[in-house]
Amino acid sequence: DQQVKQNSPSLSVQEGRISILNCDYTNSMFDYFLWYKKYPAEGPTFLISISSIKDKNEDGRFTVFLNKSAKHLSLHIVPSQPGDSAVYFCAASPIIQGAQKLVFGQGTRLTINP
Amino acid sequence: DVKVTQSSRYLVKRTGEKVFLECVQDMDHENMFWYRQDPGLGLRLIYFSYDVKMKEKGDIPEGYSVSREKKERFSLILESASTNQTSMYLCASSSSPHRQGKKSPLHFGNGTRLTVT
Repeated sequence: DQQVKQNSPSLSVQEGRISILNCDYTNSMFDYFLWYKKYPAEGPTFLISISSIKDKNEDGRFTVFLNKSAKHLSLHIVPSQPGDSAVYFCAASPIIQGAQKLVFGQGTRLTINP
Repeated sequence: DVKVTQSSRYLVKRTGEKVFLECVQDMDHENMFWYRQDPGLGLRLIYFSYDVKMKEKGDIPEGYSVSREKKERFSLILESASTNQTSMYLCASSSSPHRQGKKSPLHFGNGTRLTVT
């Protein structure tokens, strides 16, 4: 049972354009959402997060949007750069005490073409 | 800067062997995690620990155990390796949530690619 879904396994975007990566979730107990970026042979690195009390969070070229009623979030990268080519994972954290348990999506491979 | 170090980048083991994957973090984090990454399945949580000698099962604990004798070290153990445990294993750590509920992200190691033949 996939609680966090990234339905696009891959996405190809031209350099300078906007990249939009999508993520859907099913568990209404999730209250914190994150995006991670992963290069080959490296561990995932934290990119940006959003709490369920917000609907938008921006950090430089990266913006995450949260639509709680649709249980959908998206990551916008603008302008896209060749170094953005990587696998992007969406993750969600349920409301629990103590250690945060993240549930990850399947990942979307983003390729930025020059 | 947080550093999470996994002792091996690549491992090849035979079916039935006992396998130890080691992870060390240098930021005094309370929480440590073991995930495995498989194509089309994303990252799935195997076990996690929120304190020394404490452990909790994740979503796919079968065939695995863990050990946390010291705060900085979290070991994943495959009691009897099987071919379906061939995967990329990722260790991560995080600090405990702030009292106001602010959560800190996970910091990952570079992974261990395990092949079981």
